[in-house]
Amino acid sequence: AQKITQTQPGMFVQEKEAVTLDCTYDTSDQSYGLFWYKQPSSGEMIFLIYQGSYDEQNATEGRYSLNFQKARKSANLVISASQLGDSAMYFCAMLGTNAGKSTFGDGTTLTVKP
Amino acid sequence: NAGVTQTPKFQVLKTGQSMTLQCAQDMNHNSMYWYRQDPGMGLRLIYYSASEGTTDKGEVPNGYNVSRLNKREFSLRLESAAPSQTSVYFCASSPTLFTDTQYFGPGTRLTVL
Repeated sequence: AQKITQTQPGMFVQEKEAVTLDCTYDTSDQSYGLFWYKQPSSGEMIFLIYQGSYDEQNATEGRYSLNFQKARKSANLVISASQLGDSAMYFCAMLGTNAGKSTFGDGTTLTVKP
Repeated sequence: NAGVTQTPKFQVLKTGQSMTLQCAQDMNHNSMYWYRQDPGMGLRLIYYSASEGTTDKGEVPNGYNVSRLNKREFSLRLESAAPSQTSVYFCASSPTLFTDTQYFGPGTRLTVL
């Protein structure tokens, strides 16, 4: 079975500091994609970053980077220079190539303190 | 460019009533999805459509039906609503099935009394 684990229900970070949100996954698929989404209090789901299982380099998108360690089955999100607007729920997700395989973690609530 | 749109935004039903949630995308994506999000939890896949004319069950399909009307539209129907179906429903689309970034609609908040 496919599974995503986010072990940090809540995180706090000081404005302008970096923060790492943890994500571990389990799958028997050889080809899969790992994603991070942001859900602010308004409720919409905003795509942040994507990492393919065969990508050798870690993905980066502006202030977001994905620390992908395939052997450890981890895909941690790193947010650099946190901003107050980064306060939100963050979801790690895995999409596999086998039919029906779309799995989300339970999320981490990030609060950025001024 | 509207992306993914969903109607309605909010709905209250009584147990046993039926309704259809509408979803449309204007990004020419082949694949579309319906998810539900219960309070404090991540999203769970209800149904998906790899391409026009095909639909398949996801993780939690019981109590729901779907129709892929054309490439743009993918609807979700609750035939006999139950309180356990109280949730926020998200529609999403992607260029291909599961291996591309999914783009989400704004969600429909459904309450079943």
